[in-house]
Amino acid sequence: DAKTTQPNSMESNEEEPVHLPCNHSTISGTDYIHWYRQLPSQGPEYVIHGLTSNVNNRMASLAIAEDRKSSTLILHRATLRDAAVYYCILRGAGNNRKLIWGLGTSLAVNP
Amino acid sequence: NAGVTQTPKFQVLKTGQSMTLQCAQDMNHEYMSWYRQDPGMGLRLIHYSVGAGITDQGEVPNGYNVSRSTTEDFPLRLLSAAPSQTSVYFCASSYRVWGSNEKLFFGSGTQLSVL
Repeated sequence: DAKTTQPNSMESNEEEPVHLPCNHSTISGTDYIHWYRQLPSQGPEYVIHGLTSNVNNRMASLAIAEDRKSSTLILHRATLRDAAVYYCILRGAGNNRKLIWGLGTSLAVNP
Repeated sequence: NAGVTQTPKFQVLKTGQSMTLQCAQDMNHEYMSWYRQDPGMGLRLIHYSVGAGITDQGEVPNGYNVSRSTTEDFPLRLLSAAPSQTSVYFCASSYRVWGSNEKLFFGSGTQLSVL
């Protein structure tokens, strides 16, 4: 099963951009790269996902390497409300038994 | 639009007791699932359902039962609670099944302690 590797923690200052990296060297051709975040005492919430091309939405941007072995979640201007654990997971078709969630990156945002 | 609703938010059980964690979604989602989250470990899939009447085991199914009699509801039953089942439980749903291009919507969780 394809796994992802993320730094345990990162720190940012408010209103500065944040780049959260994720390595997924064993990604298969049909795996989508998903990002979720979990605020304290809440369930995970969807942030963004993509397959090959870079993606943008109102929350963030997702930059995917050309070989798809890594990706970066970009928060353009961090706010205090962005302090959360960010999970990068691979979601492929056909195997719903194993959706592997790692420990994610705990992002601290300094005022 | 309520999304995914879990009840109760907190529960304390004694070893050997049984209980049901409730999960309901109002988005007409085909796929529903249960996860547990323990300190120092990622979310782990317990059971999932791809539609009413269809359920299957996830990564850690032992000690838990599920059923899916309606599209909206997916309860998780602990038949005989054990301290090892102390955890935070999340229910999640998505519109279609087998889809890698689907967003998962999570409930706010149930914190369960088994003494």
